Amino acid sequence: AQSVTQPDIHITVSEGASLELRCNYSYGATPYLFWYVQSPGQGLQLLLKYFSGDTLVQGIKGFEAEFKRSQSSFNLRKPSVHWSDAAEYFCAVGPNTGNQFYFGTGTSLTVIP
Amino acid sequence: ETGVTQTPRHLVMGMTNKKSLKCEQHLGHNAMYWYKQSAKKPLELMFVYSLEERVENNSVPSRFSPECPNSSHLFLHLHTLQPEDSALYLCASSQAIAGGRDTQYFGPGTRLTVL
Repeated sequence: AQSVTQPDIHITVSEGASLELRCNYSYGATPYLFWYVQSPGQGLQLLLKYFSGDTLVQGIKGFEAEFKRSQSSFNLRKPSVHWSDAAEYFCAVGPNTGNQFYFGTGTSLTVIP
Repeated sequence: ETGVTQTPRHLVMGMTNKKSLKCEQHLGHNAMYWYKQSAKKPLELMFVYSLEERVENNSVPSRFSPECPNSSHLFLHLHTLQPEDSALYLCASSQAIAGGRDTQYFGPGTRLTVL
């Protein structure tokens, strides 16, 4: 069965430090992969997505993610975190056909000064 | 208004009440979705509409009743809810239903509390 796992429920980083959020997926075919961010009281905003091609994907707000097929992972990274990055981050897998997206349970990011 | 809007943003209702959630998308999209977001659980897809026709109903209890009068508006009618239905209800839209290729754009959600 398809699934998405975000192993870290909560992460705390200092402002200016680097960040990596983990995402592992289970999917029968080549997946379409997404990272979303949700600020308090807001809906989900797309950060980046991977469909095919270059396995390193650039997104908005200075985020990037790398698709590693051998590890079934799609980790999100940012070289220098800003206080405004504090939010909930969701990894998602999209289907080749149909419309059943699978989301992880999210990672809550706290940024300390 | 731009993007996807949802009203109300907060709703408190009793178990015997009837209420409706409204979603409107200003993106010219043809597909709309309802999701349920509960704490520490993955988003649950509830309903999908494409060109005003329901194409997905993920075993959602009948106390939730969707309505899509046109491609810009989506409603979720609620009646006889249970406390466990308390959650954030998110609406999303996409250009079409094209599998995972189609990016979904989300509204801010309605925070529902059932007493």
